[in-house]
Amino acid sequence: AQSVTQLGSHVSVSEGALVLLRCNYSSSVPPYLFWYVQYPNQGLQLLLKYTSAATLVKGINGFEAEFKKSETSFHLTKPSAHMSDAAEYFCAVRRGNQFYFGTGTSLTVIP
Amino acid sequence: GAGVSQSPSNKVTEKGKDVELRCDPISGHTALYWYRQRLGQGLEFLIYFQGNSAPDKSGLPSDRFSAERTGESVSTLTIQRTQQEDSAVYLCASSLRGSSDTQYFGPGTRLTVL
Repeated sequence: AQSVTQLGSHVSVSEGALVLLRCNYSSSVPPYLFWYVQYPNQGLQLLLKYTSAATLVKGINGFEAEFKKSETSFHLTKPSAHMSDAAEYFCAVRRGNQFYFGTGTSLTVIP
Repeated sequence: GAGVSQSPSNKVTEKGKDVELRCDPISGHTALYWYRQRLGQGLEFLIYFQGNSAPDKSGLPSDRFSAERTGESVSTLTIQRTQQEDSAVYLCASSLRGSSDTQYFGPGTRLTVL
């Protein structure tokens, strides 16, 4: 079965610090992987996606994620957090027509 | 606007009542998804429509849940005889051609069953 695990339901970082949000997937074959962001009072929007091309994927707003098959991970990073990055982040995997989402990580940025 | 819209934004109902939730996808998008997000949990896939193909209903949790879509336009998710465990945010998403394309999400409908 497909599933994703997001470690840490809440993450706090200082403004300007590194952002690291963790995602691990379970799959016997490399899946299609996604990160979505949900800003307060807004719908989910796609940050980036991995589709078996480059293992380092760059997304919007300075975020990137690296697919590591050996670790079955797809962690999301950003070198320097901004206040505007405060949001809920969801990792997801697609198999066929279905998407499986993690439980989300709420990112707080401390000024 | 050009985005996915959902109505109502909030719905409070009594246990046992039926509810209908509406989704208007982005014009021209052939694929449409419904998800459920319970408090503190991730999104659960409910149903997927792609053009005129038979929908993928494998995520519907019980026969109280059903969904329809007219052509490539509006979709309605119906929950009959609502239960308290149905309380959640119901999200709709559409994509241009199918599951390989980027999904665009609506703002959701928050359903509360008393």
